[in-house]
Amino acid sequence: EEQLVESGGGLVQPGGSLRLSCADSGFTFSYYGMNWVRQAPGKGLEWVSYISTTSTTIYYADSVRGRFTISRDNAKNSLYLQMNSLRAEDTAVYYCARDRGTKVRGVLFDYWGQGTLVTVSS
Amino acid sequence: DIQMTQSPSSLSASVGDRVTISCQASQDISNYLIWYQQKPGKAPKLLIYDASTLETGVPSRFSGSGSGTDFTFTISSLQPEDVATYFCQQYDNLVTFGGGTKVEIK
Repeated sequence: EEQLVESGGGLVQPGGSLRLSCADSGFTFSYYGMNWVRQAPGKGLEWVSYISTTSTTIYYADSVRGRFTISRDNAKNSLYLQMNSLRAEDTAVYYCARDRGTKVRGVLFDYWGQGTLVTVSS
Repeated sequence: DIQMTQSPSSLSASVGDRVTISCQASQDISNYLIWYQQKPGKAPKLLIYDASTLETGVPSRFSGSGSGTDFTFTISSLQPEDVATYFCQQYDNLVTFGGGTKVEIK
């Protein structure tokens, strides 16, 4: 079964940068599109970004476009999120989540990591 | 962008009660609607996809219905372990989540 483990969260000052990682211990990482989804404390879920299996298709939420960059390394079974120009409103638990891949330009999250907390504060 | 309006935002019901949650899309999304369950401190869990298809291993007391813009999620007999927040999500065009419904035991 897929097991996704995020890392890299922590406390960062406004305007700073952080790189999140997500490691997949399953054997099918390269077969699936992957995503980052975040959840601010006590709030709902917000999709952040999607990357296709070969990195040829990438989507971002309007709230992070131009500041965040998603990438993946299939040889290392790993997903990344480079976050620059961080703002207080980026404070959230960040989850990596797998797309089942049943619909073009639509994402069905079937496996989730446990999340990593990013706090943006001075 | 597609907006998802979920109601109510919270509810309290007794064990054994039938619980219903609604989700409305701002435009026709066919049946591309998902329901997740999130327990405190945990990641969301996929319960239902394509509006009414139960994910493998999910108890049959959970069900979903609807198409187009109006969708319903039902727990036929609420159990203590069902205390959680439930989210709808459209995947007709990328992703939009509903605001969530917190379900508690009365």
